[in-house]
Amino acid sequence: QKEVEQNSGPLSVPEGAIASLNCTYSDRGSQSFFWYRQYSGKSPELIMFIYSNGDKEDGRFTAQLNKASQYVSLLIRDSQPSDSATYLCAVNSGGSQGNLIFGKGTKLSVKP
Amino acid sequence: KAGVTQTPRYLIKTRGQQVTLSCSPISGHRSVSWYQQTPGQGLQFLFEYFSETQRNKGNFPGRFSGRQFSNSRSEMNVSTLELGDSALYLCASSLANSGANVLTFGAGSRLTVL
Repeated sequence: QKEVEQNSGPLSVPEGAIASLNCTYSDRGSQSFFWYRQYSGKSPELIMFIYSNGDKEDGRFTAQLNKASQYVSLLIRDSQPSDSATYLCAVNSGGSQGNLIFGKGTKLSVKP
Repeated sequence: KAGVTQTPRYLIKTRGQQVTLSCSPISGHRSVSWYQQTPGQGLQFLFEYFSETQRNKGNFPGRFSGRQFSNSRSEMNVSTLELGDSALYLCASSLANSGANVLTFGAGSRLTVL
């Protein structure tokens, strides 16, 4: 059973701080990794994807991938109250491209 | 550019009934995937369609089925509804080209089974 694990939270950080969200996956053959954000009552929206080991930065967001440790993380710098949402980690483990395995998400709360 | 459109947005059914949900992908997107989201299980993959063919299927009973039309629009059907089928059903479309295959989700269809 291929699994993606996330700490459900809630993770609470003060405004302006760095939020660190973590995710581990079970299938060593996993090829691509995605972070989605889901506001309450809304559908998931993509933040970033990463394929290769190392860091990938996009604005205030940095995704980090370590395939040897089967670990992917998302850092949010200068966290804003508008970042308060559930963050979903998703992994494509070699199935068809539309078949992602999602973690259950980490709820982030950014306090003003 | 219009996003992924799902209809209906909300519906209430009773046990034993069947339901059909519709998804119109982003123009040019050829792949449509369906997911079920519940508080307990999170997002779970139902199936993916590409060029009118089911490309992959998740671990759901045969009561869950789908299809894709030549214009890439997709429908999913759930027959003999059970209480546990109450969920948010999300459709996602993608270009399905090589390399990055980003899924864009629709707003979802929230099904309540009484």
